[in-house]
Amino acid sequence: DVKVTQSSRYLVKRTGEKVFLECVQDMDHENMFWYRQDPGLGLRLIYFSYDVKMKEKGDIPEGYSVSREKKERFSLILESASTNQTSMYLCASARDRVGSNQPQHFGDGTRLSIL
Amino acid sequence: QKEVEQNSGPLSVPEGAIASLNCTYSDRGSQSFFWYRQYSGKSPELIMSIYSNGDKEDGRFTAQLNKASQYVSLLIRDSQPSDSATYLCAVLNAGKSTFGDGTTLTVKP
Repeated sequence: DVKVTQSSRYLVKRTGEKVFLECVQDMDHENMFWYRQDPGLGLRLIYFSYDVKMKEKGDIPEGYSVSREKKERFSLILESASTNQTSMYLCASARDRVGSNQPQHFGDGTRLSIL
Repeated sequence: QKEVEQNSGPLSVPEGAIASLNCTYSDRGSQSFFWYRQYSGKSPELIMSIYSNGDKEDGRFTAQLNKASQYVSLLIRDSQPSDSATYLCAVLNAGKSTFGDGTTLTVKP
């Protein structure tokens, strides 16, 4: 089974802090994704990566950055946390994009509160 | 128009009934289609994948795909209270999935 592990289930930070959310997958997947999920707004894609050191902006990248130094690890960074970034953050991974039809597999999520 | 649209819900069915969840998509180049189940406070869990027109059955779940109509559905037979969750439709094209907003299903004992 695919295992996607997010470093924290719950996290509380203060406005202005730099926040790191970590995600590790154990299936050698090329593709990794970060979403946030808010009531009434569904899943919104923040950033994704098709390979090590590659990143692409999703639909709502403002206020976020990412890092992918190793294939199995994809980090989401809130440069200067704000209260409107309070949300559930979900990491997902999938087999590579070339000719791929493989689904994404999600981690358990991190519920982040910014005070 | 959203790229992936689902029944607005919520949907309520009695225990033992058939629950029918619908999804339409706008990109004709879409290749693969998935249904995820998400319990409250949890992350989405993949329950069905379908890649070609027709029906695909897995236990009490049946996914139906009609690419000409750009329509995919999920039927849950003999619905159980444990099926109460939000169901997300996902459409895949070139390695990137687009998710619907979900339909919340409640199965009443």
